[in-house]
Amino acid sequence: AAGVIQSPRHLIKEKRETATLKCYPIPRHDTVYWYQQGPGQDPQFLISFYEKMQSDKGSIPDRFSAQQFSDYHSELNMSSLELGDSALYFCASSFQSGRAGDTQYFGPGTRLTVL
Amino acid sequence: AQTVTQSQPEMSVQEAETVTLSCTYDTSESDYYLFWYKQPPSRQMILVIRQEAYKQQNATENRFSVNFQKAAKSFSLKISDSQLGDAAMYFCAYRSPYNNNDMRFGAGTRLTVKP
Repeated sequence: AAGVIQSPRHLIKEKRETATLKCYPIPRHDTVYWYQQGPGQDPQFLISFYEKMQSDKGSIPDRFSAQQFSDYHSELNMSSLELGDSALYFCASSFQSGRAGDTQYFGPGTRLTVL
Repeated sequence: AQTVTQSQPEMSVQEAETVTLSCTYDTSESDYYLFWYKQPPSRQMILVIRQEAYKQQNATENRFSVNFQKAAKSFSLKISDSQLGDAAMYFCAYRSPYNNNDMRFGAGTRLTVKP
């Protein structure tokens, strides 16, 4: 079965640079979520999109922005990168069948290292 | 706000034996979803099992089962006939149906399987 695809899998950037992470949800999934997992921590919700509209916002810094496109893929844009942004970034997708709570399926993650 | 607590940072089990991972949560909601995710060394987040709070029957997926005690707000994961491939970080997660994207994770339990 098709899974969530994230690219790139690894990314190395310098401080103050920008980065763009991409997420391709499972086919027919209409909701995308972004999570940040720091070393030794649990995933923290950043932002989500439902039907190409932002649906909720978590602990996402103002330096970050995201959007969902007409083909349902999503991009997380990160600017003015800081050392503390080094983390594993997960994208998850789900299908909202009229009742919130359907299972989120995670991608393999993008490991971002900021030097 | 809902919180998820995993009181066991680390657990170990002998291959072929059974182990139970604990999870408790705090919520004022009566309807919600609970999940166990597994994160092996590859860091991929893999769904293990899902429980809907309005269902009294405990969820089961092959060797994985849960003991869901709604009144006690407890959601433990039992792994039977443990295999070396079960070694991973296990995260308990809570999701509210009223807040579409509010999935909260516990701090995780690192499970080691001894041959």
